[in-house]
Amino acid sequence: DSGVTQTPKHLITATGQRVTLRCSPRSGDLSVYWYQQSLDQGLQFLIHYYNGEERAKGNILERFSAQQFPDLHSELNLSSLELGDSALYFCASSVNHNSPLHFGNGTRLTVT
Amino acid sequence: GENVEQHPSTLSVQEGDSAVIKCTYSDSASNYFPWYKQELGKGPQLIIDIRSNVGEKKDQRIAVTLNKTAKHFSLHITETQPEDSAVYFCAARPLSGGTSYGKLTFGQGTILTVHP
Repeated sequence: DSGVTQTPKHLITATGQRVTLRCSPRSGDLSVYWYQQSLDQGLQFLIHYYNGEERAKGNILERFSAQQFPDLHSELNLSSLELGDSALYFCASSVNHNSPLHFGNGTRLTVT
Repeated sequence: GENVEQHPSTLSVQEGDSAVIKCTYSDSASNYFPWYKQELGKGPQLIIDIRSNVGEKKDQRIAVTLNKTAKHFSLHITETQPEDSAVYFCAARPLSGGTSYGKLTFGQGTILTVHP
């Protein structure tokens, strides 16, 4: 168990809808990262927060947004969902940007 | 930005044999190279990592080697066991700063199958 908790484990929703994925980092970790994993694209970096502030952005769609709260948990919001958004979404945490990343078990999103 | 290539995409070995997975990276500023193991239905699990000031690191049956000049690094698993069967990912991370702050770039993964 990595200590990173993601909820929900599975999410099934329809096109056009909006969902929120939640991540609780390991105790003591200030950095939270979001990654998307699909069969054809592998693990793609979406966004990185450190202690509540956005620090780096990957190829995150404008329909997607994230935030990190004062208690350090993070949420990834996906809106106007399309079939192609179906994927595994992973959260990872680390003490800081130079430390190893530890991943949660992901949220499997299915858009129908 | 960083680009990481990983080979082979699939690897099949007999129990007890060794397995080697290789990765190359493009950004000479990268200085941290972790390896992750992902089992079905789970997230990637860190199994070993190496920093650019070290050429080799071992942890029991697994080892990682790094050649900074050639920009490649490899994972070696000796005495493989069926429970080693999983998808393995390499990754690279540059020195902090700029748009790559803390970002890991992953290879495409290697499906390792160890036959009993």
